[in-house]
Amino acid sequence: GQQVMQIPQYQHVQEGEDFTTYCNSSTTLSNIQWYKQRPGGHPVFLIQLVKSGEVKKQKRLTFQFGEAKKNSSLHITATQTTDVGTYFCAGLNAGGTSYGKLTFGQGTILTVHP
Amino acid sequence: ETGVTQSPTHLIKTRGQQVTLRCSSQSGHNTVSWYQQALGQGPQFIFQYYREEENGRGNFPPRFSGLQFPNYSSELNVNALELDDSALYLCASSLGGHVPREQYFGPGTRLTVT
Repeated sequence: GQQVMQIPQYQHVQEGEDFTTYCNSSTTLSNIQWYKQRPGGHPVFLIQLVKSGEVKKQKRLTFQFGEAKKNSSLHITATQTTDVGTYFCAGLNAGGTSYGKLTFGQGTILTVHP
Repeated sequence: ETGVTQSPTHLIKTRGQQVTLRCSSQSGHNTVSWYQQALGQGPQFIFQYYREEENGRGNFPPRFSGLQFPNYSSELNVNALELDDSALYLCASSLGGHVPREQYFGPGTRLTVT
């Protein structure tokens, strides 16, 4: 079955440093979504990427979707303590028969030291 | 806040028992998905309901079942509980049905099976 892997599992940074998490799928994706989950909270939608090679920006966050639509990345510039949390990617398998089946990666836990 | 509510917040059950979890979707959303999130893992897709029908299912046994009501609220039922069923159960509402759009997650129900 489809697998979505994220690296790194953990990332500790000093406030002001940059952060990147990578997401790789074993199969081609039709789209990919990114979520953030604060400690003790629930996942909150950040963005959806659909097109091959797509790049989207939200303030200090930059999201990319690979040309082959099998990988994606999230880059945060100049991290702040408010960026703390777990970042998940979630992909929908292209051509899959399970409608609506989003497969989540295991997440990258980001801690930011002030 | 997403407007998605879940009940109960916490639940403790004994192995072999049955449990029903409830979810009210965000106003106007016609699709509800259920996820199981074990500690330190990403959410795992259980199933999705669209227009009161199951619209896709993950790798969960038949003892996991659900319902969607005409007002788009939903239930997750788990029979013959096992210790490994202990997890955070999240429901997420969205628009559109077959192709997942951004998911609005509820706060979750923490289920402990002893």
